Amino acid sequence: EAEVAQSPRYKITEKSQAVAFWCDPISGHATLYWYRQILGQGPELLVQFQDESVVDDSQLPKDRFSAERLKGVDSTLKIQPAELGDSAMYLCASSYTGNEQFFGPGTRLTVL
Amino acid sequence: AQSVSQHNHHVILSEAASLELGCNYSYGGTVNLFWYVQYPGQHLQLLLKYFSGDPLVKGIKGFEAEFIKSKFSFNLRKPSVQWSDTAEYFCAVTSSGSARQLTFGSGTQLTVLP
Repeated sequence: EAEVAQSPRYKITEKSQAVAFWCDPISGHATLYWYRQILGQGPELLVQFQDESVVDDSQLPKDRFSAERLKGVDSTLKIQPAELGDSAMYLCASSYTGNEQFFGPGTRLTVL
Repeated sequence: AQSVSQHNHHVILSEAASLELGCNYSYGGTVNLFWYVQYPGQHLQLLLKYFSGDPLVKGIKGFEAEFIKSKFSFNLRKPSVQWSDTAEYFCAVTSSGSARQLTFGSGTQLTVLP
C-alpha cells in the first residue's frame, strides 16, 4: 500500500538553528499539504501545493518558514531560525482528487 | 472561515461500552466531513467520510457517523469499544471549493480500559 514518506521522524535542534523536513507524497498525487500539529491540538494547514505551485500559504510564517516543491513531486519545509514555539509535529499529506488526504507519519520537532 | 468543535477532550470508557464523540462545524455552504484517528505512535488514518447521500456513514473497524445538517453535527459512534480503540480522534471538514483544505477540531483522546 502506497504511503506518504517523511524524514526525519524526530529532530532536536537549538533555537536559532535551521531545520528542514522532507516529504515524498504518494505517487501521482498532485496536491501536497504541510500541517503543524501542536500538542493537544488538531493539525493546522501551513501550505498547500498543486503540482509545483503554491495554492495557499496564508498561514505560513514567511519570515522564518519556507516551503518548496520544485519538480512537483517531493517537498521540503524549512525553518530558519527555529524558535522555541516551533516545537510541534509537522505533518505532510497528499491527495489525488482533493477529496481525501493521506497523511505521513510526521516529523516531531523539539527546539531547545 | 470554517471551524470545527469537538466538545470532549478526553473520554474514558470500559471495554464493551458504547461510544459517541461529538463534532460540530460552522460553515454556511456545502461541506465534506471526515473523522480521522491517530493510534499511539502511528500516523493519522481516515476512519470515515461523508460527501453526500445517506447521512449515516459507516467506516472501518465498526465506526459510524451521522450527518445532521440542521444541527451542523457529525457525531462519531461505535456500539461496543475495544481496548484497541484507544487513540485520538479528530473531526475535520472541507468546503466544496477548489482548495478543499481540511479544518480540524482539537481532537478527543479516547482511553478504553480493559
